[in-house]
Amino acid sequence: TQLLEQSPQFLSIQEGENLTVYCNSSSVFSSLQWYRQEPGEGPVLLVTVVTGGEVKKLKRLTFQFGDARKDSSLHITAAQPGDTGLYLCAGPNYGGSQGNLIFGKGTKLSVKP
Amino acid sequence: NAGVTQTPKFRVLKTGQSMTLLCAQDMNHEYMYWYRQDPGMGLRLIHYSVGEGTTAKGEVPDGYNVSRLKKQNFLLGLESAAPSQTSVYFCASSYRSDRGNTEAFFGQGTRLTVV
Repeated sequence: TQLLEQSPQFLSIQEGENLTVYCNSSSVFSSLQWYRQEPGEGPVLLVTVVTGGEVKKLKRLTFQFGDARKDSSLHITAAQPGDTGLYLCAGPNYGGSQGNLIFGKGTKLSVKP
Repeated sequence: NAGVTQTPKFRVLKTGQSMTLLCAQDMNHEYMYWYRQDPGMGLRLIHYSVGEGTTAKGEVPDGYNVSRLKKQNFLLGLESAAPSQTSVYFCASSYRSDRGNTEAFFGQGTRLTVV
């Protein structure tokens, strides 16, 4: 069974600080996605990484896919209160007859003004 | 764009009652999913469908049934609700690209309380 482990589980920081959250697995994934979920809403896709070693930037957010495609990280520069939310990583699960997405448990980020 | 629409948004059930959650998507996606989200447990897959007329069990299927009679709709049924089914339920849909990465689009969730 493929598992995605995210760390830390909770993170509370002040506005302007930098942070990194991690998504790790013992399995190889063909791709990984990062989602952000705000309270009372469904998760929304931020980015998909598909190539080992790939780095993608989305404004102040930098996503990296590990060379071995078993892990990914999300780095936020100069965090803002609007970055507050639950960050989830997800990857396709091909353990069954068809692919479906499995999710990590998420990192709950709180950015205080 | 409506995207993925779930109804209802909130519901309170008594133990033993039944109900159906409806999910509709207008993106012509082949895959549809039902997840439940509980504190500290993340998103857990209940059932999913890879096309009209097909369904498959996910990680936590017990106590739930699903149907996909039309491509755009995916229904989740609770035949006899139990307090352990108190949760937030999310429907999602996705396509599959040539690279195999499956990007999901989510509804806004249904908050279900079973008393």
